[in-house]
Amino acid sequence: DGGITQSPKYLFRKEGQNVTLSCEQNLNHDAMYWYRQDPGQGLRLIYYSQIVNDFQKGDIAEGYSVSREKKESFPLTVTSAQKNPTAFYLCASSIGGSGDEQYFGPGTRLTVT
Amino acid sequence: AQSVTQLDSQVPVFEEAPVELRCNYSSSVSVYLFWYVQYPNQGLQLLLKYLSGSTLVKGINGFEAEFNKSQTSFHLRKPSVHISDTAEYFCAVSDGSGSWGKLQFGAGTQVVVTP
Repeated sequence: DGGITQSPKYLFRKEGQNVTLSCEQNLNHDAMYWYRQDPGQGLRLIYYSQIVNDFQKGDIAEGYSVSREKKESFPLTVTSAQKNPTAFYLCASSIGGSGDEQYFGPGTRLTVT
Repeated sequence: AQSVTQLDSQVPVFEEAPVELRCNYSSSVSVYLFWYVQYPNQGLQLLLKYLSGSTLVKGINGFEAEFNKSQTSFHLRKPSVHISDTAEYFCAVSDGSGSWGKLQFGAGTQVVVTP
């Protein structure tokens, strides 16, 4: 079955530690996205990538970093510079055009204490 | 940049009653519009989308939405809800003039269906 895998489902870290969230897709999509979801705020775009080895900042990129070395993979690192990292993180992918549907992974809930 | 307003943060509804979720977006020459559903602790699933053509769009699970350009709205409706429709619903817009696949999401509407 084609789809998007995010791991782990739940992640706990101590304040001051960097943490990397995994996102893998086997849909052969060119575009991939990372969103942050907080209660009552909808989804906010962190980073997106249109093709391999290229990515752009979204609306709330500060404190986050990404890489896109393979078409299938788009890992997100939450750095210690992110002031409020506890949130639900969603990865998505799409074929790439402006009218294309985005397909979402199941999400990773990160808790930093 | 586009913005999306979902006018209700929570909508309680009785089983088998109709429901309407309201969505308004900021104006643009052309837009693509989407409704997604999110069940607890899961990712988002597409319900329906409007790209062009007929302003009444039918989606999965008996949902439909109507695009109204003059009112810049894309309201979602279902004539008879089930308990399983309890979820959060997100309206999203993409700028049709070319912000390449980027979606702007509304804050979401939580639908709670009770017997």
